[in-house]
Amino acid sequence: DQQVKQNSPSLSVQEGRISILNCDYTNSMFDYFLWYKKYPAEGPTFLISISSIKDKNEDGRFTVFLNKSAKHLSLHIVPSQPGDSAVYFCAALSYNTDKLIFGTGTRLQVFP
Amino acid sequence: SAVISQKPSRDICQRGTSLTIQCQVDSQVTMMFWYRQQPGQSLTLIATANQGSEATYESGFVIDKFPISRPNLTFSTLTVSNMSPEDSSIYLCSVGMIVADTQYFGPGTRLTVL
Repeated sequence: DQQVKQNSPSLSVQEGRISILNCDYTNSMFDYFLWYKKYPAEGPTFLISISSIKDKNEDGRFTVFLNKSAKHLSLHIVPSQPGDSAVYFCAALSYNTDKLIFGTGTRLQVFP
Repeated sequence: SAVISQKPSRDICQRGTSLTIQCQVDSQVTMMFWYRQQPGQSLTLIATANQGSEATYESGFVIDKFPISRPNLTFSTLTVSNMSPEDSSIYLCSVGMIVADTQYFGPGTRLTVL
């Protein structure tokens, strides 16, 4: 049973436009959410996170939105740059288990 | 943050053999984890490597197949035993930084089993 789902395996966006990556989860016990970015031949690197007590967190070009009632979060990248081309993983954490549960990832390609 | 290195970075192995993957961290960390990413799949936690005691395995993973060592707070190994083509995957070491509430990943080991 996939507790964290990223239903779009890939996304293609023009440079300068907004990239929106989506993530859905099923476990209401999750109380912390993270986005990781992965380049080929490298491990995932932490990008941005959000606690369940918030509905938005912003860091430069990256904003994560959380809709708890819909069990949905999204990552917005504005403006998108070619260097943003990577695989993005959504992950969820429950403090009582201290384990990250990952989605399957979305491959973002930003073209000029 | 933590700098994590893994050896080997990739390997091609024959069915029935075993491979040990090493993970080295540049600082002492309490929690170390081993993940697997099979083609088209999510990152899946295999086990938590505990220093001084046996690893804690997730459902679907057993010690006989994936023995783990954690001799100190900066090093761990994962062995993939009696390999089959289904074990072909990227194996990632990760450390948990409780204060930062994030995990940092090594570069991964790409394993291909023929």
